[in-house]
Amino acid sequence: KQEVTQIPAALSVPEGENLVLNCSFTDSAIYNLQWFRQDPGKGLTSLLLIQSSQREQTSGRLNASLDKSSGRSTLYIAASQPGDSATYLCAVTQAGTALIFGKGTTLSVSS
Amino acid sequence: SAVISQKPSRDICQRGTSLTIQCQVDSQVTMMFWYRQQPGQSLTLIATANQGSEATYESGFVIDKFPISRPNLTFSTLTVSNMSPEDSSIYLCSVRGGVTYNEQFFGPGTRLTVL
Repeated sequence: KQEVTQIPAALSVPEGENLVLNCSFTDSAIYNLQWFRQDPGKGLTSLLLIQSSQREQTSGRLNASLDKSSGRSTLYIAASQPGDSATYLCAVTQAGTALIFGKGTTLSVSS
Repeated sequence: SAVISQKPSRDICQRGTSLTIQCQVDSQVTMMFWYRQQPGQSLTLIATANQGSEATYESGFVIDKFPISRPNLTFSTLTVSNMSPEDSSIYLCSVRGGVTYNEQFFGPGTRLTVL
């Protein structure tokens, strides 16, 4: 059974720092991996989608990498801002399944 | 990307009652998903709803407790029946779409509190 783990569970950084969020999964037979952002009490916003054949995707200050063979993904946030404060969720899709989520990393960026 | 709306956005309900949550998508989609997010937890899939067929429920979720309708390709409802305080959660509707049709998008969620 696929399990997704995110480390750390919480992270606090000062504004301007570059940071990395980690995601690992136990079964490398995935179709794709998605990173989401969730603000408190709100729904999910899709940030980046990486297909299983891809190594990375970039959107603005965000860069997500995927190493399928080792079961790992990272989300790199450059020059963090207070508006980046949210919970970041990693999720994978396998054959015949909907997304399987990690528990998330709650990020706090102080000004 | 798909635009998804949900009604109601939040509700406070009494124990033993039922609540129906509506999900509307701005484009036709084959598969719709319903998730639950309990306080402080990540998302758990309740069921997958395909138009024209019975919903497929995940382990731990049953149709009598969470009946789902999928009358067409842009709409679905989830009912939370005979509610208890343990049903207090955010309920989210989700669809697949995007350029490759395997990116998943989520509605804003329905925050349910059961007293």
